[in-house]
Amino acid sequence: DQQVKQNSPSLSVQEGRISILNCDYTNSMFDYFLWYKKYPAEGPTFLISISSIKDKNEDGRFTVFLNKSAKHLSLHIVPSQPGDSAVYFCAASAASYDKVIFGPGTSLSVIP
Amino acid sequence: NAGVTQTPKFRILKIGQSMTLQCTQDMNHNYMYWYRQDPGMGLKLIYYSVGAGITDKGEVPNGYNVSRSTTEDFPLRLELAAPSQTSVYFCASSATGNTIYFGEGSWLTVV
Repeated sequence: DQQVKQNSPSLSVQEGRISILNCDYTNSMFDYFLWYKKYPAEGPTFLISISSIKDKNEDGRFTVFLNKSAKHLSLHIVPSQPGDSAVYFCAASAASYDKVIFGPGTSLSVIP
Repeated sequence: NAGVTQTPKFRILKIGQSMTLQCTQDMNHNYMYWYRQDPGMGLKLIYYSVGAGITDKGEVPNGYNVSRSTTEDFPLRLELAAPSQTSVYFCASSATGNTIYFGEGSWLTVV
């Protein structure tokens, strides 16, 4: 059973527009959520995170929104740039867990 | 900055062979992890460790073994390699157990 879901395998956005990547989770014990970015032939790199006590966290062009009641989070990238083209993984963990569970990823293409 | 270092980067194995993927980190992190990434399947946790001498199974542990004799090293052993183990393997570490930092990956093909 997939605990972290990213239902859009791919997304294309024009440069300068907003990219919105979505993630859903099923385990109500999760209390910490992360987004990772991965370029081909490289390891994933940490992008931004949010604790369940918050509903929004912002870092430059990247903002993560958390809706606990819907068990949903989203990553907004504004404005999108061609260098943002990568696979984005949503991940979740819990204080009672010692591990981080990843979603299947969404491949973002930003078109110049 | 070394961070998490994995070796080898690429390897081709024959069915039934064994090998060890090496992983070392220089951040003094207690938590270490091994993930595998199959196309379109995201990252699946194989094994993890919360400190030296302590290891536990993740989501897909079958066919693998690990050990954690030091804080720095977390090798992953593949016994009797099978084509289903063709994948990209990522080692990672964490100080807190939530934000984790990955190595560059090891591409393994079993033929």
